[in-house]
Amino acid sequence: AQKVTQAQTEISVVEKEDVTLDCVYETRDTTYYLFWYKQPPSGELVFLIRRNSFDEQNEISGRYSWNFQKSTSSFNFTITASQVVDSAVYFCALSGYSNSGYALNFGKGTSLLVTP
Amino acid sequence: GAVVSQHPSWVICKSGTSVKIECRSLDFQATTMFWYRQFPKQSLMLMATSNEGSKATYEQGVEKDKFLINHASLTLSTLTVTSAHPEDSSFYICSDGVAGSRNEQFFGPGTRLTVL
Repeated sequence: AQKVTQAQTEISVVEKEDVTLDCVYETRDTTYYLFWYKQPPSGELVFLIRRNSFDEQNEISGRYSWNFQKSTSSFNFTITASQVVDSAVYFCALSGYSNSGYALNFGKGTSLLVTP
Repeated sequence: GAVVSQHPSWVICKSGTSVKIECRSLDFQATTMFWYRQFPKQSLMLMATSNEGSKATYEQGVEKDKFLINHASLTLSTLTVTSAHPEDSSFYICSDGVAGSRNEQFFGPGTRLTVL
């Protein structure tokens, strides 16, 4: 069975602060994918990143960075110099692999509030 | 641009009526699509896997007779909430099931259902 834990329910920071959203996962699969999605108040999911289980390289995209560590089963997400527009709910998700596509197991989400 | 569309984006109906939600893949053929449900301030939970030309598979606890799924073509999957009740009020989101080289799993914009 797969499980994703986002222990932080809500985080509040002041603009320009750095913030890290934690994600810990459990799976017995040897091949799997990890995702981060942003969900603004509109509800539409915004894809941020996908990482496969064989690629432990950290990734940086602008103010966003991700730290994938298989040894601790973690896939943490850091926003540098946060902005008000970063306020949203962020979901970490895990999937196995299938030739016909794969469903995602989502964590409970972390609600991030960035205040001016 | 969006590759998965949903219609309607929101719907309000009376208790006891049936509501049909359409999910279309816009630029690819999807033999598999997924339906998720999200209650307010909660995470996304997989409801069912829609398979083109065959029966859908439902997650544990999801009533297949209440949530009818039809995947008659490679670009359209429909979810019908039959005899809707207030507890069915939720945000319903579909996603594609295309694996492979594409880095992103696409989600529809969601349908907000309110049952009075």
